[in-house]
Amino acid sequence: DIQLTQSPSFLSASVGDRVTITCRASQDIRSYLGWYQQKPGMAPQLLIYAVSTLQSGVPSRFSGSGSGTEFTLTISSLQPEDFATYYCQRLNSYPLTFGGGTKVEIK
Amino acid sequence: QVQLQQWGAGLLRPSETLSLTCAVYGGSFSGYYWSWIRQPPGKGLEWIGEIYHSGSTNYNPSLKSRLTLSVDTSKSQFSLKLSSVTATDTAVYYCARRGIVGATTDWYLDLWGRGTLVTVSS
Repeated sequence: DIQLTQSPSFLSASVGDRVTITCRASQDIRSYLGWYQQKPGMAPQLLIYAVSTLQSGVPSRFSGSGSGTEFTLTISSLQPEDFATYYCQRLNSYPLTFGGGTKVEIK
Repeated sequence: QVQLQQWGAGLLRPSETLSLTCAVYGGSFSGYYWSWIRQPPGKGLEWIGEIYHSGSTNYNPSLKSRLTLSVDTSKSQFSLKLSSVTATDTAVYYCARRGIVGATTDWYLDLWGRGTLVTVSS
């Protein structure tokens, strides 16, 4: 199976900070990558699909980039409602796998 | 507004069968993969499997021998059965819709149920 490795697994940041999360695939997954945001006690929500396209309603401070095996999720100016756990997911082959998650906490 | 409502037993004993159902309200059942994902307490997400509205399935190989997914299109419902559960199956189980999003031809998990905590304990 193709594995996804997220880094860091945890980060502490302040409101207004620029935050970058990395997702690395063990093999080329082209552009079949999405990002999900999960807040405590809630189901994940689709944030970005096809590497860089924001799902409807997602603020423009979120952006995604990358291709092949390395991908990034960037929050340009962290807001209080962005403190959550973020997961990448690949969809190029079965089984569909998620990264281990990155928890973003308030510094 | 499309919603997924899920239900099932929350407490099981080892060796029993986990059974969950998810109903789709307010939207089409056809043309989507209906998925299950689980999350052990304090841990990450694991994709369990999915079933197309027509009944074709894709399973996670790690669970395939114990897993059965089914659909009831007349009720816009889909179900999960996981046999011979152990404590390692303790998790929040989510149902979700995987559909084509935006202008892509890719399929993403764009709608999720609220999750059901299933605890396996003797």
